[in-house]
Amino acid sequence: NAGVTQTPKFRILKIGQSMTLQCTQDMNHNYMYWYRQDPGMGLKLIYYSVGAGITDKGEVPNGYNVSRSTTEDFPLRLELAAPSQTSVYFCASSPGQGARVGYEQYFGPGTRLTVT
Amino acid sequence: RKEVEQDPGPFNVPEGATVAFNCTYSNSASQSFFWYRQDCRKEPKLLMSVYSSGNEDGRFTAQLNRASQYISLLIRDSKLSDSATYLCVVSHSGYSTLTFGKGTMLLVSP
Repeated sequence: NAGVTQTPKFRILKIGQSMTLQCTQDMNHNYMYWYRQDPGMGLKLIYYSVGAGITDKGEVPNGYNVSRSTTEDFPLRLELAAPSQTSVYFCASSPGQGARVGYEQYFGPGTRLTVT
Repeated sequence: RKEVEQDPGPFNVPEGATVAFNCTYSNSASQSFFWYRQDCRKEPKLLMSVYSSGNEDGRFTAQLNRASQYISLLIRDSKLSDSATYLCVVSHSGYSTLTFGKGTMLLVSP
């Protein structure tokens, strides 16, 4: 049981390039999330999904896109990378609503992205 | 006012000390409350949920005061391994979205 996995671990992009950050979970969780964490700041929600085919914007969605075609995968797409997108990106999943335990989110190890 | 505010830190304490972290939240409709721990350059992990009646897990005690919109975390008998950043986290939506504080760093020294 690998939990939440993310690839790549590190990436350097040039301004204007595009890339996809991959996220996969093997816990059969319905809910998945993408966050970014800037130095000294709290995590900010970019997008989230409550199930396959359903996605919604979080607090800071501009410059990003997501899709959720399967329960397991939730890729994050950066189009036209900008220096402001330099950050650590975390993917997370949770069982969802219902029990209090459903609110616990399990995080992947993160992707460190630098845009220069 | 920020949604979730925490002590700015860092807190430097010797081994064996008791340390308390404070957190306030602005949305009175908030439903669930948590403390997460984040080690340096690692992902956050759930430390404990916070219940209105207060709850304890070993050396860790969490308290919630809904009237004051205040959450606390007490760590007794600090260990070197407790060194980390402690994140106060609040949920108030129906889709389990979480709002994170900036975190308070704890450094425990020998």
